[in-house]
Amino acid sequence: QVQLVESGGGVVQPGRSLRLSCVASGFSLRSFGMHWVRQSPGKGLEWVALISYDAGNDQYTDSVRGRFTISRDNSKNTIYLQMNSLRADDTAIYYCARGAREFEYWGQGTLVTVSS
Amino acid sequence: EIVMTQSPATLSVSPGDTGTLSCRASQTVNANLAWYQQKPGQPPRLLIYGSSTRATDIPARFSGGGSGTEFTLTISSLQSEDFAVYYCQQYENWPRTFGQGTKVEVK
Repeated sequence: QVQLVESGGGVVQPGRSLRLSCVASGFSLRSFGMHWVRQSPGKGLEWVALISYDAGNDQYTDSVRGRFTISRDNSKNTIYLQMNSLRADDTAIYYCARGAREFEYWGQGTLVTVSS
Repeated sequence: EIVMTQSPATLSVSPGDTGTLSCRASQTVNANLAWYQQKPGQPPRLLIYGSSTRATDIPARFSGGGSGTEFTLTISSLQSEDFAVYYCQQYENWPRTFGQGTKVEVK
C-alpha cells in the first residue's frame, strides 16, 4: 500500500537550516507530483511547496520562497525540503503528500521546532 | 491568493443526525475543491475531490457539492468516528489554500 514516511525534524535555532526527507513506498514516485504541507501547533493547514513528477516545475508559498527548496531523487523514492534561514513561525508539523491536484495520501509528519 | 472561508467554526451535532459544512472561495475555483478530515494526532485524510467525487473507501454518507465559489460537505447519519475537524482546499490556483477548518463535535 502507499506509504509516505517523513524524517529530519527537530529543534533548531532561528536562522539555522534543516533538511526534511520523505520516503515513498507502494508506488513509483517518478509518476507523481509531491507536496509539503505544514500545520502549526493547534492551527490549520498551510501548503508549502510542490515538485512536479519530473522535477521540471516547482511552486512555493510566498512565506518560504527563497528560503526553502523542494527536490526529489526518484532513484531513492525520496523527496526533500531544504529549509534555510528558519524562523519561529516555521514551527510546525511538516507533512509530505502525494497528488498533482488534491492530496491523495499523506505521511504522518515530522515536527520542526524553531526556538533559541 | 484565493482565500477559503469555512463556516461554521464549530458544528454541534447529535450522532445519527445530518451535518452540513460550508466553504466559500474568494474567487471561482470551478470544481477544483477537495475536503479532508483530520482527527487528533493524525494527518488529514482525503474525503472528496472535484467538489463531489468521494475518494477511495470513503463511505457514501459523505457527500460534496457546489461549484464556483460556494461548496458544501454533508455528512448524513453521523457516526462516532466522524467527529473531527474538516478542511476544504482549492487547487484551481497557486498557492494551494485551505479553509481554517470546521470542528464537528458531539452535541
